[in-house]
Amino acid sequence: DAMVIQNPRYQVTQFGKPVTLSCSQTLNHNVMYWYQQKSSQAPKLLFHYYDKDFNNEADTPDNFQSRRPNTSFCFLDIRSPGLGDAAMYLCATSRYWGVNGELFFGEGSRLTVL
Amino acid sequence: KNEVEQSPQNLTAQEGEFITINCSYSVGISALHWLQQHPGGGIVSLFMLSSGKKKHGRLIATINIQEKHSSLHITASHPRDSAVYICAVNSSGGGADGLTFGKGTHLIIQP
Repeated sequence: DAMVIQNPRYQVTQFGKPVTLSCSQTLNHNVMYWYQQKSSQAPKLLFHYYDKDFNNEADTPDNFQSRRPNTSFCFLDIRSPGLGDAAMYLCATSRYWGVNGELFFGEGSRLTVL
Repeated sequence: KNEVEQSPQNLTAQEGEFITINCSYSVGISALHWLQQHPGGGIVSLFMLSSGKKKHGRLIATINIQEKHSSLHITASHPRDSAVYICAVNSSGGGADGLTFGKGTHLIIQP
């Protein structure tokens, strides 16, 4: 059974129309991550939470926001998507940070911007 | 910031061949991950290493901390092993740096 579930798997939106992507986990892990992966590129970290402590990467655009209302759920909000935001968005979890933090990824949400 | 280099970038081999993918990094780490991504799909974690060697089925991962180098080996390769293999590291010293990813190795196993 999937342990990290992302919805929707595929999202098509219009330029400037807000989008929310969700991630849920059944692992009770402390750490949740959001990554952006563009075609043929390595994933790029956007945000991570350690419990409710929010960490924003310095180069994450202001257009991207995140919420973690409880341990199980995390959301990625894109306020005004541009064509350059079309990508695969990957959610991952780990119980701990660093050496004990085996990663578990969701299947990803592929965003298309028209 | 850690630099992660993978080689080769692309690898095509015949079914049954022994495959080696290499990863080197520039500064100390607390953990190294080998990940697998099929075309258009999500990422699956294969191994997390901080020292030595791990084996799972036909996959073997090794790490040499002194040389800042890791290898992923696939024995008796099969077409279903065709995927992108990504090396990623947690830099040591804590902090909120997340993972640093290599650019991946695109592996094709031909029948």
